[in-house]
Amino acid sequence: EIVLTQSPGTLSLSPGERATLSCRASQSVSSIYLAWYQQKPGQAPRLLIYGASTRATGIPDRFSGSGSGTDFTLTISRLEPEDFAVYYCQQYGSSPPMSSFGQGTKLEIK
Amino acid sequence: EVQLVQSGAEVKKSGESLKISCKGSGYSFTSYWIGWVRQMPGKGLELMGIIYPSDSDTRYSPSFQGQVTISADMSISTAYLQWSSLKASDSAMYYCARRQGAMVPFDYWGQGTLVSVSS
Repeated sequence: EIVLTQSPGTLSLSPGERATLSCRASQSVSSIYLAWYQQKPGQAPRLLIYGASTRATGIPDRFSGSGSGTDFTLTISRLEPEDFAVYYCQQYGSSPPMSSFGQGTKLEIK
Repeated sequence: EVQLVQSGAEVKKSGESLKISCKGSGYSFTSYWIGWVRQMPGKGLELMGIIYPSDSDTRYSPSFQGQVTISADMSISTAYLQWSSLKASDSAMYYCARRQGAMVPFDYWGQGTLVSVSS
């Protein structure tokens, strides 16, 4: 089973700043099969990025994903107040179609 | 509009049984896997298992094998997650989510069902 480790656990930044969130896999993951989700308090997760770098429908272009192999990054270029939330990475693409999530990074207002 | 609508919050006692539901609409229910995801209070996301409603092919994560049962009724576009004997540690938010196959992520999620189990 692939284990995803996200860092940092908590990131404290101010609106307008740039956020860089990391997701490291215990073994190589095809970049085609790496996703990022955003979860706000009291809400279900929302798909942000899939295929490591493709934004899901309706996701603003301040969100970008990159990486390959075992190291992946979610970048938010200029933080808006609504971006403060918990972010999870997920690897998928295995057969059978199970998948694992990282433990999450909480992005909080400084 | 794609929607996954889950059943309402439940308050149960240890040892009781429970079945919660997830009804899909706005898409071909039989063409997508439905996964169940647990989120314990203040914790992260854990995939419990997934089902393909068209043929009821069901897979469980090792941690949840034997602990829950996932099923689906494609005639009413509904997937289910059930417990035969709840434990206090089953208290959590449970989400359903759909994915078209192994090579795509979960793109739509239900609103969640909160399960509270008292000992």
